[in-house]
Amino acid sequence: GAVVSQHPSWVICKSGTSVKIECRSLDFQATTMFWYRQFPKQSLMLMATSNEGSKATYEQGVEKDKFLINHASLTLSTLTVTSAHPEDSSFYICSASFRGLDYGYTFGSGTRLTVV
Amino acid sequence: GQQLNQSPQSMFIQEGEDVSMNCTSSSIFNTWLWYKQDPGEGPVLLIALYKAGELTSNGRLTAQFGITRKDSFLNISASIPSDVGIYFCAGLNTGGFKTIFGAGTRLFVKA
Repeated sequence: GAVVSQHPSWVICKSGTSVKIECRSLDFQATTMFWYRQFPKQSLMLMATSNEGSKATYEQGVEKDKFLINHASLTLSTLTVTSAHPEDSSFYICSASFRGLDYGYTFGSGTRLTVV
Repeated sequence: GQQLNQSPQSMFIQEGEDVSMNCTSSSIFNTWLWYKQDPGEGPVLLIALYKAGELTSNGRLTAQFGITRKDSFLNISASIPSDVGIYFCAGLNTGGFKTIFGAGTRLFVKA
């Protein structure tokens, strides 16, 4: 079945540094990838939608200059948290879709970001 | 914007009991999805529903797409300890691609 690989699974960084999270579709081409943020005991909040070869569409309230998304190929999307601060600490999850298969999106295993 | 109301928020049950949870919305969705999330992991798709009235099973799990297209339920029969986790419903309108998630139901199963 469709597999989405997300890396790293956890990262600790110093305040002010940038962190890159990768999301890869392993056995299918993902025309669209989604990035979510999840706080403890809360649901998934969509941050942005990225389409291969075009600029990402950010949800209201999400700073596009802080959360840089690149979807350079049909199998890779990256989320870079720039100048991270402690309030950016969260669980970040990507998902990917390929129209033509079932419409249930496949999720990565998530990245736990801790900014100290 | 579109919102899903998922209930109950949490459930504490004995092993072997059946479980039922549901999602309702004021908006219509074309697809309903049910996911399970284990701690520290991404959600895993359990069941996808594509047609109003559709009833679909996956092992001990059964889910239905409401006739009005504004609700869905998930049943788990004969629960076991590994059913513990957070269950999310999600609604999707294929034209917009976006998936709207419910707040989740935390399931605790006592052996």
